Amino acid sequence: QQPVQSPQAVILREGEDAVINCSSSKALYSVHWYRQKHGEAPVFLMILLKGGEQKGHDKISASFNEKKQQSSLYLTASQLSYSGTYFCGTERSGAQKLVFGQGTRLTINP
Amino acid sequence: GAGVSQSPRYKVAKRGQDVALRCDPISGHVSLFWYQQALGQGPEFLTYFQNEAQLDKSGLPSDRFFAERPEGSVSTLKIQRTQQEDSAVYLCASSLMSGNTEAFFGQGTRLTVV
Repeated sequence: QQPVQSPQAVILREGEDAVINCSSSKALYSVHWYRQKHGEAPVFLMILLKGGEQKGHDKISASFNEKKQQSSLYLTASQLSYSGTYFCGTERSGAQKLVFGQGTRLTINP
Repeated sequence: GAGVSQSPRYKVAKRGQDVALRCDPISGHVSLFWYQQALGQGPEFLTYFQNEAQLDKSGLPSDRFFAERPEGSVSTLKIQRTQQEDSAVYLCASSLMSGNTEAFFGQGTRLTVV
C-alpha cells in the first residue's frame, strides 16, 4: 500500500518554512526520506526507525510517530537548493524494499 | 566506483524489441534494488538482490521482466518484447547492508518504447 504524501506541491519564498507529511495505513518499521531534482537520482536525506525518534541535520529534520504511522519532514529557513521533489519511502518489518509515496514538489523562489 | 552507475542513460526501443539495462552498484554493497519510475510518480519497487540471490521479485510486472546479478556485483534488468507501457525511468539502488540503511540511487535509464 503506497503511503500518502501531503501536500502534493508547495511554493515558498526563500527563508520560509515547510512541512511535508507522509501517512501509511500499514504498520511501519522505518521511514526513509529522499529528494529528487529533475532528471537526477533521488538523494538520501534521512532514515527514521520506529520508536518515535526525531532526526535532523542542518535545517532539515523529521519525526516518526509509529502509533499514527506518520512521518513529517520539516524544512526551516528554506534555501534555493531545497527545491525538488521529496519522497517518503516506507519499509515494513523484514521487507527490505521501500514503498514510495507519490512525492511532494517543493519550489523555492528568491 | 564513486557511485551507482547505470547504462545506457537513454534507450529508445521499438515495440516488441528486447532491451537490457545495466547497473554497476557501489563496490562492496550487498543489497541491490531495481525500481521503475513513471513520469511524475514515485519509484515503484521491482526486485531486490542480496549479493547474487534474488530475494524478492514481487514487483516485476510480468514474466517479460527478468533480472540477474550472477556474481553479486553488476546487475542486469532485461525486458523482453517491450510494450509502450514499459516506457519509464528504471532506477537502480545499492546499499551496504540489508535493511534500515541508506540506499544510493543511480541516475537511471530512461526507456522509451515507440
